Amino acid sequence: AQSVTQPDIHITVSEGASLELRCNYSYGATPYLFWYVQSPGQGLQLLLKYFSGDTLVQGIKGFEAEFKRSQSSFNLRKPSVHWSDAAEYFCAVGALYQGGSQGNLIFGKGTKLSVKP
Amino acid sequence: DSGVTQTPKHLITATGQRVTLRCSPRSGDLSVYWYQQSLDQGLQFLIQYYNGEERAKGNILERFSAQQFPDLHSELNLSSLELGDSALYFCASSASQGGTEAFFGQGTRLTVV
Repeated sequence: AQSVTQPDIHITVSEGASLELRCNYSYGATPYLFWYVQSPGQGLQLLLKYFSGDTLVQGIKGFEAEFKRSQSSFNLRKPSVHWSDAAEYFCAVGALYQGGSQGNLIFGKGTKLSVKP
Repeated sequence: DSGVTQTPKHLITATGQRVTLRCSPRSGDLSVYWYQQSLDQGLQFLIQYYNGEERAKGNILERFSAQQFPDLHSELNLSSLELGDSALYFCASSASQGGTEAFFGQGTRLTVV
């Protein structure tokens, strides 16, 4: 069955420090991968997506992620964290439908990011 | 602003009652997805509609149902509510049946008392 694992429930980093949030997936084909961010009381905002091609993808707000098929990973990175990045981050994979298309999202449990001043 | 509108934002109701959550997708999007977010289960996919037809079903209880209307807005009906149904319910829309990014609404916070 398709699944997504985010091993870190909560991460605290200092403002200006680099960030890496881990995501591992279990999938039977080439996945569509996504990172979403949720601020308190808000909906989910798409940060970036990977469908195919270049394995390093750039997103909004200075985030990037790298798809590594050999490690079944899609880790999210940011070189310098800002206080406004404090939020919860969700990794997701597109569920595989019959016929090979991908549809609804399967989410990880999320990683809550706290930023120290 | 994602362009997906959900109403109401908050809903408080008693056990045993029935409620309807409404979602208007982004202009031009044909797919609507419903998700439930709770502390213990995380974000769970409930159901997807594409152009008025049910496309996929996830962990949706029999007490819950949904539909998509000709103008593409969707409603999620929750009946015989239990305390455990308290959660944040998200609607998302995408342009096609799948394989593209989905845009999420702000959610409806349901509290069952």
